Amino acid sequence: KAGVTQTPRYLIKTRGQQVTLSCSPISGHRSVSWYQQTPGQGLQFLFEYFSETQRNKGNFPGRFSGRQFSNSRSEMNVSTLELGDSALYLCASSGGLAGGPYEQYFGPGTRLTVT
Amino acid sequence: GENVEQHPSTLSVQEGDSAVIKCTYSDSASNYFPWYKQELGKRPQLIIDIRSNVGEKKDQRIAVTLNKTAKHFSLHITETQPEDSAVYFCAASIGANKLIFGAGTRLAVHP
Repeated sequence: KAGVTQTPRYLIKTRGQQVTLSCSPISGHRSVSWYQQTPGQGLQFLFEYFSETQRNKGNFPGRFSGRQFSNSRSEMNVSTLELGDSALYLCASSGGLAGGPYEQYFGPGTRLTVT
Repeated sequence: GENVEQHPSTLSVQEGDSAVIKCTYSDSASNYFPWYKQELGKRPQLIIDIRSNVGEKKDQRIAVTLNKTAKHFSLHITETQPEDSAVYFCAASIGANKLIFGAGTRLAVHP
């Protein structure tokens, strides 16, 4: 099976702009979680989607949003970018039916730089 | 709130020695505890996990132990090799597929 893929791998944006990142989970997986990784804050949970529904949400401002499509692909959007949003954004794919938790497998990440 | 503390932040060992990384979680409802290894510039890789109904799990040179009463869990790597050098993260699951991560341990294995 192909692994988790994320596009784009690198992005440079300017403060105030918005950005959309994409994640394709492992075939057959219905859950996609998003995490932000920074040197200062480590790995922080953003949100999780299962069968197109947001099941869990972390402590991030409303500028961070996401969605999931019927084919389980997920996107996250960050509006009104701030310098502090510069980070590696990782998505993780998980199998299993409703409930959990289950093993999560990470994609390669999208490196976002805000200037 | 939800929190996972991880110690030590850095660990240096000689090849062949054992390495132990310890984590403490705050939410007693946590029921799943994975460990990830992240090499420089690469994605976190799941190396072992344990669920709350098990006290210990082993996979070759890697083992994880869980003490639910004390809310502690630990990663044990035996016979360390230079390729074990990486950052290791512990995590606890607070609800389905929501992981709270520790701050990470940078392990260096010297030949």
